[in-house]
Amino acid sequence: EADIYQTPRYLVIGTGKKITLECSQTMGHDKMYWYQQDPGMELHLIHYSYGVNSTEKGDLSSESTVSRIRTEHFPLTLESARPSHTSQYLCASSGILGTSGRFQETQYFGPGTRLLVL
Amino acid sequence: AQKVTQAQTEISVVEKEDVTLDCVYETRDTTYYLFWYKQPPSGELVFLIRRNSFDEQNEISGRYSWNFQKSTSSFNFTITASQVVDSAVYFCALQSNNAGNMLTFGGGTRLMVKP
Repeated sequence: EADIYQTPRYLVIGTGKKITLECSQTMGHDKMYWYQQDPGMELHLIHYSYGVNSTEKGDLSSESTVSRIRTEHFPLTLESARPSHTSQYLCASSGILGTSGRFQETQYFGPGTRLLVL
Repeated sequence: AQKVTQAQTEISVVEKEDVTLDCVYETRDTTYYLFWYKQPPSGELVFLIRRNSFDEQNEISGRYSWNFQKSTSSFNFTITASQVVDSAVYFCALQSNNAGNMLTFGGGTRLMVKP
């Protein structure tokens, strides 16, 4: 069963368009993360959140922005997509033992969104 | 600074062979956690195991086993009797309090199991 969801799974879009990648988790986790990854390559942390109304930038500079208005929801937005944004975006969450009964601080990942900007 | 090194970028084996994926880490913390994740071609990262720095006992789960050795700062992963479905990229990762509990990933090892 999937406890962390990402939509869309695949997105092809033209340069200059605004896009929002959705991420939701049902595990009651307080921390959430966004990673950028070229397929099969190293993961780069671009944003994270410790809880509602908390957002921080990660190690890799990104033109994207995030928001955390609800615990379960952590959307990522690109105001003006460019070909250099073409990549896979992975969302993850971690936290204290919640409804899932899983380990504290283990990050669980969503299925990812593969973005292609033409 | 923390660092995770997976020196093997790509490994190719024939089905039923055993294969070991190496992971070497660097940290100054005395309390830390080590992880392995599997990333199949579909793209998601699947959590496999989490070990803490105080528990050096090796672990076995079916065909998977993990060898944690603090003396050599290594956390190696062995797949016994490999299968085609094991083909994936495998990531080793390190987490510690002094790094804000963030994960430091290795570069990954691509495992190809041929029939």
